[in-house]
Amino acid sequence: GAVVSQHPSRVICKSGTSVKIECRSLDFQATTMFWYRQFPKQSLMLMATSNEGSKATYEQGVEKDKFLINHASLTLSTLTVTSAHPEDSSFYICSAAGGVNTDTQYFGPGTRLTVL
Amino acid sequence: DQQVKQNSPSLSVQEGRISILNCDYTNSMFDYFLWYKKYPAEGPTFLISISSIKDKNEDGRFTVFLNKSAKHLSLHIVPSQPGDSAVYFCAASAVGGTYKYIFGTGTRLKVLA
Repeated sequence: GAVVSQHPSRVICKSGTSVKIECRSLDFQATTMFWYRQFPKQSLMLMATSNEGSKATYEQGVEKDKFLINHASLTLSTLTVTSAHPEDSSFYICSAAGGVNTDTQYFGPGTRLTVL
Repeated sequence: DQQVKQNSPSLSVQEGRISILNCDYTNSMFDYFLWYKKYPAEGPTFLISISSIKDKNEDGRFTVFLNKSAKHLSLHIVPSQPGDSAVYFCAASAVGGTYKYIFGTGTRLKVLA
């Protein structure tokens, strides 16, 4: 149990385009989902926290208009990187909480975004 | 301000021996701690957790120790296996895991066959 999927696993896009990343909890209902970003050889940095049906809470320094988060159901959250630029290239990882162990976040496999 | 620190960026251990990974934190409000294992280009995999009401939690080859007075936790892996080679992150949270985690910087463990 507690499986989280992400799609796509890799995406390459041109500068100025928008990219949507999906995060799904496959076998549990996720009351809360989180989006992280990881730069090479660095730790995971929380970008935002989202609860189903409500607006996401963004961490300081994260532009909410650039990183649009939608948590439309208890099993799906999406992150849209709008007007992507090369500096947005990174590894984006989602996690979901609400599985068997409600205190634990379960992570998706991540999405490698490359903006040309 | 790095609230969760893993001071050893890397660690090498012989197969069969004990691996000890350390983590220090500064925020006394943290009450839930976790260890994750991560391979390159993959998401972290949950290993083991401990709440602040305990000082030890064990799951198979993995044991986490918490010293609240020292604000220190450690992960022991016994016996270490080559498949354990990965980056290990500790994470801390206040008031349960549905609140945000603060991750350490990670320790790369290499288990030598």
